Amino acid sequence: EAQVTQNPRYLITVTGKKLTVTCSQNMNHEYMSWYRQDPGLGLRQIYYSMNVEVTDKGDVPEGYKVSRKEKRNFPLILESPSPNQTSLYFCASSPLGYEQYFGPGTRLTVT
Amino acid sequence: KQEVTQIPAALSVPEGENLVLNCSFTDSAIYNLQWFRQDPGKGLTSLLLIQSSQREQTSGRLNASLDKSSGRSTLYIAASQPGDSATYLCAVPNQAGTALIFGKGTTLSVSS
Repeated sequence: EAQVTQNPRYLITVTGKKLTVTCSQNMNHEYMSWYRQDPGLGLRQIYYSMNVEVTDKGDVPEGYKVSRKEKRNFPLILESPSPNQTSLYFCASSPLGYEQYFGPGTRLTVT
Repeated sequence: KQEVTQIPAALSVPEGENLVLNCSFTDSAIYNLQWFRQDPGKGLTSLLLIQSSQREQTSGRLNASLDKSSGRSTLYIAASQPGDSATYLCAVPNQAGTALIFGKGTTLSVSS
C-alpha cells in the first residue's frame, strides 16, 4: 500500500530532551516536507527536501533540523525541545509538482 | 505573498443536503489546487487535485472546480452524509513550488 508513515504517533517529553520523529514513504517520491499544525495558525511548513541531500527551510524552521540521506526517509529532529514546539506534526511527500500525500500525524507535547 | 481563504469557517447541514465549500486565493499564478479532508486530530486525506489546465475534477459525490482568473475554487458535496463530517482544507503551491499554502478550513457537520 502506498503510504507515508510517521513514528511515533504520540509523544510526551520534557524541555531539552532531544527527540526524533521519523517519516518514511514507499512511493519513490523526490519531494518530502514537514508541517506543523496549530489552532488558529493552520498548517505551516517547517522544512522541505527536493531530493536526497537537498533540504531547505520553510516558514518556521527555528528549533528544528532535518536530514535526507535516503530518498524514502526524512526525519525531523528537535535538538532541545521547548513548550512552544507542542503541536501536531505532519510529514508529506509527492512527485515534484503533483499531488501531495500526508502522513497520519505526530502529536507532540513538550512540558 | 499567496493567501488562501475558506468561507464559511463552519457549516451545519441536515443529511441529504447538497452543499458548496468555498476557497479563494490571492495569486492566480498557480499550477494546481488540492482539496483535503481532516478528521479531528487525524491526518490529511487528499480528496481531489485540480491541475491549472482543468476546470473540474470529480470523485464520487465530490466535485471540485477551479477558476484561476477569479482566484476561486469550490468543492461541491452531493447528498451529504453524517460520515462527511470533517474539516475540509484547500491548498495551493507557493510561487516556488516548494510548499503548500493552506486555508484555515471549513468544519462541516452533517446531522442525521
